[in-house]
Amino acid sequence: AQTVTQSQPEMSVQEAETVTLSCTYDTSESNYYLFWYKQPPSRQMILVIRQEAYKQQNATENRFSVNFQKAAKSFSLKISDSQLGDTAMYFCAFMKEGYHYQLIWGAGTKLIIKP
Amino acid sequence: DAGVTQSPTHLIKTRGQQVTLRCSPISGHKSVSWYQQVLGQGPQFIFQYYEKEERGRGNFPDRFSARQFPNYSSELNVNALLLGDSALYLCASTGTTGSTEAFFGQGTRLTVV
Repeated sequence: AQTVTQSQPEMSVQEAETVTLSCTYDTSESNYYLFWYKQPPSRQMILVIRQEAYKQQNATENRFSVNFQKAAKSFSLKISDSQLGDTAMYFCAFMKEGYHYQLIWGAGTKLIIKP
Repeated sequence: DAGVTQSPTHLIKTRGQQVTLRCSPISGHKSVSWYQQVLGQGPQFIFQYYEKEERGRGNFPDRFSARQFPNYSSELNVNALLLGDSALYLCASTGTTGSTEAFFGQGTRLTVV
């Protein structure tokens, strides 16, 4: 069975700083997808970034980038130039190839951006 | 375009009762997935439906059931409610069964007393 672990329950940084959220996962699959989702107080899950396991290049989306280490089964999210609107819960999620859209989620990291 | 809509947004039920939650996917989306998110935890996968057929089921008891209608909207039913069923129930829709991007609704907050 696959598992996703987020070891940082809460983090806080000053506005404009860079912050990295950690995620590790366990799987015996070779083809899969990894995601970072943001859940603000409005409760709606918003996709931040996704990574296909077969791609060696790390995904980037504007201020958001990932460090995908397949052998280490690590998938961290880096937020550059953090903004107050980045304050939210962040969830790491795993999806097996062929099992769309059956996500396995981590417990989440609460990120607080301070002014 | 309207996003994924879920109804109701909040509801309170008594132990032992039954509840039906509803989800309307984005127009053109044929796949709907349901998740349970207990307070302070990550979501847990409950069901996935595509073209009105169940494509996946998570580790939930038979008290949980779902269906998808010809217009691709979906209902999640929970019978014999327990206090532990109190959670945020999230619905996500995707365009095709092979899509890797899903869009979530704002969820239904269920409180069982």
